[in-house]
Amino acid sequence: EADIYQTPRYLVIGTGKKITLECSQTMGHDKMYWYQQDPGMELHLIHYSYGVNSTEKGDLSSESTVSRIRTEHFPLTLESARPSHTSQYLCASSEARGLNTEAFFGQGTRLTVV
Amino acid sequence: QQPVQSPQAVILREGEDAVINCSSSKALYSVHWYRQKHGEAPVFLMILLKGGEQKGHEKISASFNEKKQQSSLYLTASQLSYSGTYFCGTSMDTGRRALTFGSGTRLQVQP
Repeated sequence: EADIYQTPRYLVIGTGKKITLECSQTMGHDKMYWYQQDPGMELHLIHYSYGVNSTEKGDLSSESTVSRIRTEHFPLTLESARPSHTSQYLCASSEARGLNTEAFFGQGTRLTVV
Repeated sequence: QQPVQSPQAVILREGEDAVINCSSSKALYSVHWYRQKHGEAPVFLMILLKGGEQKGHEKISASFNEKKQQSSLYLTASQLSYSGTYFCGTSMDTGRRALTFGSGTRLQVQP
């Protein structure tokens, strides 16, 4: 069973607000990821991290930022939310040891910006 | 770089078989398969690595044609629990970068 948690599950917020989506895992995984997924659509990588103090942007341009100060924690921040940010955000993690290990996903945060 | 999945959607009767395909225009090192049920997180099904090694833990099989950069997921004697959206994720290296996912195949198994 995956031990990766995202909060909040649902968030409705006004335009211009600053928000932070939380993601934590207790599996000791070095690799962590953020994906953006519109309902019924593909997952787009927006950020990933190989370990503490390591972050890189993904394939999909995003106005969000991330930090990785602790191995278990990988928060995503939007400084000024806009309606175009409305989407589901999925956090995932995987082991760094070995090649191409499976990714474990959190339940996601469904964000609505009004 | 995004892999292409086909078909986009499949409707089956319980007990029927299905094949879902994933192809890439780039040389692949590995292909991952995930299933996502409505409102839930994607769940890992299987990894296929270049060179033939296959890792998975469900009664679902898959193949990886390295020459054609294609993978196929085989669902045999489908069950109602197989319903969901299936995503393939591809990697072109030994895993340093994150996976790039296809657009998904929606599978519905009816009684």
